[in-house]
Amino acid sequence: AQKITQTQPGMFVQEKEAVTLDCTYDTSDPSYGLFWYKQPSSGEMIFLIYQGSYDQQNATEGRYSLNFQKARKSANLVISASQLGDSAMYFCAMREIYKTSYDKVIFGPGTSLSVIP
Amino acid sequence: DGGITQSPKYLFRKEGQNVTLSCEQNLNHDAMYWYRQDPGQGLRLIYYSQIVNDFQKGDIAEGYSVSREKKESFPLTVTSAQKNPTAFYLCASSIGARGASYGYTFGSGTRLTVV
Repeated sequence: AQKITQTQPGMFVQEKEAVTLDCTYDTSDPSYGLFWYKQPSSGEMIFLIYQGSYDQQNATEGRYSLNFQKARKSANLVISASQLGDSAMYFCAMREIYKTSYDKVIFGPGTSLSVIP
Repeated sequence: DGGITQSPKYLFRKEGQNVTLSCEQNLNHDAMYWYRQDPGQGLRLIYYSQIVNDFQKGDIAEGYSVSREKKESFPLTVTSAQKNPTAFYLCASSIGARGASYGYTFGSGTRLTVV
């Protein structure tokens, strides 16, 4: 069963505008972590932001914020003031704490973001 | 600076040939992972290792083999049994703690092409 869903295969955003990348997840683990990674065309995976399932506040890292809605099992990434360098693939990922025998991170299928000048 | 080094960056394999992808980390991480990424798709786990001299199959282990003789090294061999090996391969590491608030650290990847 798909545990991470990213319903937007491709997104476009105007430079300097904000954009939201959607992510929904499925788990019965009472404790889990949610991540977003950026993959530029060079291929490296860059860690952007983390949200713990018990964190009361939404995570923020510079221009990145994670809109965490636990009851809806949603963990959308918001990028403010988009820059040309933000053009990349973005992956949502989840780590279950108790329902796994090892440090397992599951990745979604990704969303391709293109920033238009 | 600590990190993960993958080599080579590009690799070409002939039909029926085994090839080995290198992955070295100097982060003192216990756990290491190999992922396969096909164009426009997400990451699929091939093998993982939580500790030296131990490794486990992931979701798509057929046609691949690994070893973990040293903490720093986790090489992946793509054997001739892997019928469709053309893909981008990513190595990752972590401290192995499930409660960690940071994700995996990734190498820069190896792009394997069958010729």
